[in-house]
Amino acid sequence: GQQLNQSPQSMFIQEGEDVSMNCTSSSIFNTWLWYKQDPGEGPVLLIALYKAGELTSNGRLTAQFGITRKDSFLNISASIPSDVGIYFCAGQLWGGADGLTFGKGTHLIIQP
Amino acid sequence: DAGITQSPRHKVTETGTPVTLRCHQTENHRYMYWYRQDPGHGLRLIHYSYGVKDTDKGEVSDGYSVSRSKTEDFLLTLESATSSQTSVYFCAISASGGTDTQYFGPGTRLTVL
Repeated sequence: GQQLNQSPQSMFIQEGEDVSMNCTSSSIFNTWLWYKQDPGEGPVLLIALYKAGELTSNGRLTAQFGITRKDSFLNISASIPSDVGIYFCAGQLWGGADGLTFGKGTHLIIQP
Repeated sequence: DAGITQSPRHKVTETGTPVTLRCHQTENHRYMYWYRQDPGHGLRLIHYSYGVKDTDKGEVSDGYSVSRSKTEDFLLTLESATSSQTSVYFCAISASGGTDTQYFGPGTRLTVL
């Protein structure tokens, strides 16, 4: 099956810094999604990308769907304490009603 | 937040016992999914449903069965639980599958002793 390589696995940053994480795949996806998961909760959708080259923002978050359809990145600007959590990328094939393929997550830790 | 609940939220059981987890949605979405989340593996699809009584296997379906007798409920059953099935289980829903986004429930933490 498809595999997503998400990096970095963890990030230790200072409050106010910008954050960048990415996902790459050996397969082409038609949709890229970015989720955030807080401890003890389910993943919450942050941004959905549907077209190659698409750049989408949601507040301080910006994500891009790579031109090759095999990668995506997520940037967080001016990080704040509530950004702490695990961020997952997920890819879906066109007509892929059979679910998402997830990366293994980036654990974001913010030091005051 | 999408109207998705999971029950129970926590369960401890013994090896060899049957276990059923329930996912309930109030959104009338057609598609429902069960994932498990394990350290180092992210989320992996177990089974999914594309309508009442219509289900199919995902990446890690061995040892699991599902049923969907009505739109709002999707049940995941472990016929004979094993320690390798200790995990956090998430249900997700989407309106139309395909490229439609999925919304996740709060999860069930299952421990098999």
